[in-house]
Amino acid sequence: AQSVTQLGSHVSVSEGALVLLRCNYSSSVPPYLFWYVQYPNQGLQLLLKYTSAATLVKGINGFEAEFKKSETSFHLTKPSAHMSDAAEYFCAVRGMEYGNKLVFGAGTILRVKS
Amino acid sequence: GAVVSQHPSWVICKSGTSVKIECRSLDFQATTMFWYRQFPKQSLMLMATSNEGSKATYEQGVEKDKFLINHASLTLSTLTVTSAHPEDSSFYICSATGQRETQYFGPGTRLLVL
Repeated sequence: AQSVTQLGSHVSVSEGALVLLRCNYSSSVPPYLFWYVQYPNQGLQLLLKYTSAATLVKGINGFEAEFKKSETSFHLTKPSAHMSDAAEYFCAVRGMEYGNKLVFGAGTILRVKS
Repeated sequence: GAVVSQHPSWVICKSGTSVKIECRSLDFQATTMFWYRQFPKQSLMLMATSNEGSKATYEQGVEKDKFLINHASLTLSTLTVTSAHPEDSSFYICSATGQRETQYFGPGTRLLVL
């Protein structure tokens, strides 16, 4: 079965430092790609999505992600972390090879140190 | 962005009772709604997909008689956990898609079965 992999279940950065959360997918045909954020005891909020237009996608809260077909990756970045960015981040994919359903990665918990 | 609500936000019930969770799309018509469950420190697992006016499609391993889904209108889907047991305790999240297929998630319902 096709999968989506998030490297690192926990990432810790200092306030003001670069945030990099990694996501790789396994399908041969590029799927639609999404990043969601989840704050404790809340649902998921869409940060950004890639749907075969521009490979560099800008989202909310200063986040962006770059689709790289050669690397089958869709890593999430933010130049300068804020304390309010501390949350869990999920990469998700949807495409024919995933049964046209939204399939989530395992999630990465981002901790921001002051 | 589109808003999806869930009610209740949390519920505690006795073992053997049934619990109904509502999911509403507040500002768009949801052609498809999805129900997920999330165990602590885990990712979201799709339980079922429902289209308005038709029977839900359940994922493998999900008991359709235990988790009853009704999608009676374009703005409302309900999940009923029948004869709940402690192992059904979890965080249940719904999502909905409109015409643009982006999934918008509700805030989740935490169920605790005693």
